[in-house]
Amino acid sequence: AQSVTQLGSHVSVSEGALVLLRCNYSSSVPPYLFWYVQYPNQGLQLLLKYTTGATLVKGINGFEAEFKKSETSFHLTKPSAHMSDAAEYFCAVSSYFYKYIFGTGTRLKVLA
Amino acid sequence: ETGVTQSPTHLIKTRGQQVTLRCSSQSGHNTVSWYQQALGQGPQFIFQYYREEENGRGNFPPRFSGLQFPNYSSELNVNALELDDSALYLCASSLAGTGPEAFFGQGTRLTVV
Repeated sequence: AQSVTQLGSHVSVSEGALVLLRCNYSSSVPPYLFWYVQYPNQGLQLLLKYTTGATLVKGINGFEAEFKKSETSFHLTKPSAHMSDAAEYFCAVSSYFYKYIFGTGTRLKVLA
Repeated sequence: ETGVTQSPTHLIKTRGQQVTLRCSSQSGHNTVSWYQQALGQGPQFIFQYYREEENGRGNFPPRFSGLQFPNYSSELNVNALELDDSALYLCASSLAGTGPEAFFGQGTRLTVV
């Protein structure tokens, strides 16, 4: 069975500060891991994904995440927050035929 | 290459009614999955169709049913609507064997009153 835990349902950062959104997963098989962003009243936009190979993955809009197998983590970071980063972020795990298991989401607020 | 499109974008139904939501897959994709996202929650897997056959189902009752057509477009049908069915319904398409990524549509917002 697979599961995802996102620590912190709400995170607030100042504009220009580091963004860190936490995701831990559980999987009995090698996982595929994803981060999605969702703006109000919109669908899901893929930020980045880990499948195999390099454990540090870079995505769109300056985001990156590092797959740490020993810690079963896939935390999302961005060095400098921008007002436009305010949104809901979802971590997801998949291994079998594109069935995604999503976390409950983290709402990021960026303070001016 | 067209993306995943869903229709309608918004829908209001009365409790007890039936509803059909539609999804047009990204060109060439043969796998479609449906997800329900309740307010303030992450998306929950409903079921998946591969080459017109159901290929996995989440913890949803039988009144949630689906179809996939030869052109790989798909429908989600929900019978006997309940207030708790109010949610954003997301469709995702993918091409089997090309990697784990699925592409999501913008969703259909269903409100049951």
